[in-house]
Amino acid sequence: EAEVAQSPRYKITEKSQAVAFWCDPISGHATLYWYRQILGQGPELLVQFQDESVVDDSQLPKDRFSAERLKGVDSTLKIQPAELGDSAMYLCASRSSYEQYFGPGTRLTVT
Amino acid sequence: GEDVEQSLFLSVREGDSSVINCTYTDSSSTYLYWYKQEPGAGLQLLTYIFSNMDMKQDQRLTVLLNKKDKHLSLRIADTQTGDSAIYFCAESKAGNMLTFGGGTRLMVKP
Repeated sequence: EAEVAQSPRYKITEKSQAVAFWCDPISGHATLYWYRQILGQGPELLVQFQDESVVDDSQLPKDRFSAERLKGVDSTLKIQPAELGDSAMYLCASRSSYEQYFGPGTRLTVT
Repeated sequence: GEDVEQSLFLSVREGDSSVINCTYTDSSSTYLYWYKQEPGAGLQLLTYIFSNMDMKQDQRLTVLLNKKDKHLSLRIADTQTGDSAIYFCAESKAGNMLTFGGGTRLMVKP
């Protein structure tokens, strides 16, 4: 069964450092999402792509976060510089019709 | 703005039925979802219902939707210890971005 892949699964970084996360959606899924999940809360949308175009990045803190999906397939989310408050699970999802499928997530700890 | 609310915690005995409740505020929501999250893992899509439906059944899972009251519930029949997890309710318009509740932690006691 096809799955959304994410790497790394865990990342520990010091504040002010740069960090990047990678996502490979299910093959053929044109819509890709990045969500952030703070411990004890539900996920919240950061950015949505349709193919290589950003559809919604209204909740993305653009002073430090960037996201790209250059060829409309896999995607990278970057944080520079990381802050203590960025510690969270970063989840990638891709959509087919009305169903969104999530990857295993990247757990980020900023020290 | 949109808001989705869930109770924090539910404890049941193995073999009993579990009912997890959710309320939402956005009357234009078209799809409502239930996801399951086990510790340290991503979210697993369990089921979803279109807003013009009242009920959907899928094996041990039954979803009930009261659109008038904006209330959604997930019933798990014959709950097993493997059902212990956090369950998230989410809503969307036309299957687009999801707005999640805070999650309900289900504990199943043997």
